[in-house]
Amino acid sequence: NAGVTQTPKFRILKIGQSMTLQCTQDMNHNYMYWYRQDPGMGLKLIYYSVGAGITDKGEVPNGYNVSRSTTEDFPLRLELAAPSQTSVYFCASSYPTVDETQYFGPGTRLLVL
Amino acid sequence: AQSVTQPDIHITVSEGASLELRCNYSYGATPYLFWYVQSPGQGLQLLLKYFSGDTLVQGIKGFEAEFKRSQSSFNLRKPSVHWSDAAEYFCAVGKIKAAGNKLTFGGGTRVLVKP
Repeated sequence: NAGVTQTPKFRILKIGQSMTLQCTQDMNHNYMYWYRQDPGMGLKLIYYSVGAGITDKGEVPNGYNVSRSTTEDFPLRLELAAPSQTSVYFCASSYPTVDETQYFGPGTRLLVL
Repeated sequence: AQSVTQPDIHITVSEGASLELRCNYSYGATPYLFWYVQSPGQGLQLLLKYFSGDTLVQGIKGFEAEFKRSQSSFNLRKPSVHWSDAAEYFCAVGKIKAAGNKLTFGGGTRVLVKP
């Protein structure tokens, strides 16, 4: 049981390039989330999804897009990378039980130069 | 809007000493409260959670936390710290049964353990 997996682990992008951060979970969780963590800060929610085909914005969605075509996958796309998007990105998933505890992946470190 | 404050950015503690990390939250109803730990270069791991019932919650790795509604606090404690407890700790609050439980995280407290 792998839980939540993220690829790549680390990536350097040039300003204006695009990329997709991959996230996959094998726990059959309905809910999935993308967070970013800036140095010395807590996590901020970018986008979330409550099921295949359903996504919604979080606190800091600008500059990002998501899709959810399957229960397992929730990719995050950066269309025009900017230095302000240098961060560590975490994907998480949860099952809609009473407390909806979120389980996190290991993160993707992104550097935009 | 919900918010979480962790007043201590850094805490240094000697191995074997007790540890208490503070967490204050702002939320209009009974919250879900969580403590997560993040070891260097790793993702977040759930230590414990509170959503109802006994206000003293036991978690993994010997941690416990106490929910105090009157003080809007959910402080994390450990009686005797081990060197492996050096990590960053995040308190988070979430809405009860909201579609897509959205967590709000505090800024984190980094714990350093002296030998």
